[in-house]
Amino acid sequence: RKEVEQDPGPFNVPEGATVAFNCTYSNSASQSFFWYRQDCRKEPKLLMSVYSSGNEDGRFTAQLNRASQYISLLIRDSKLSDSATYLCVVNRDYGGSQGNLIFGKGTKLSVKP
Amino acid sequence: DAGVTQSPTHLIKTRGQQVTLRCSPKSGHDTVSWYQQALGQGPQFIFQYYEEEERQRGNFPDRFSGHQFPNYSSELNVNALLLGDSALYLCASSLGGGAVGKQYFGPGTRLTVT
Repeated sequence: RKEVEQDPGPFNVPEGATVAFNCTYSNSASQSFFWYRQDCRKEPKLLMSVYSSGNEDGRFTAQLNRASQYISLLIRDSKLSDSATYLCVVNRDYGGSQGNLIFGKGTKLSVKP
Repeated sequence: DAGVTQSPTHLIKTRGQQVTLRCSPKSGHDTVSWYQQALGQGPQFIFQYYEEEERQRGNFPDRFSGHQFPNYSSELNVNALLLGDSALYLCASSLGGGAVGKQYFGPGTRLTVT
């Protein structure tokens, strides 16, 4: 079983739609959680961190459920510029030092006019 | 403020050859991590360097080795290249002991092994 699993999509949605991505992780020792965005043939960029209390950044809302080991990302009022691959990422904390990032395969979003 | 830079941008090598990829971290960062991203996959952690030492390593064979220099820049070396080594190699920099996960990625080096 992969350590981080995501539905690869693609999700094809019209502009203005609300779309939700889900992700599950298998290692209960995971400490930190993130969503990264990766445009075609570009490097991943941090979209937002994910906190247990849930957090929002403009049109983006992230949720974490530690008991179910489940992370979600909600995008409201989709824009054409939201078209990208969204990577679910968890971090293993090695005894206080920075752990490495474990990436899912990514979910591809295509927003159409 | 210069971001993470990587060189070369693209590289074509033959099976069995050796390759060296280079990375300069974002200004002020002292930690460099390397990732391999195969087509259609998420990045996979290779190793991380801090204070010129390999601090953590992912599930990659010894053919993959690295180095960090006193100016914090880093190299990734791959020996005895295999076709399966074809991928985008990403370097990410961060501040040791700082905010976990705040890694900034460079544009990557696309390696093709023929």
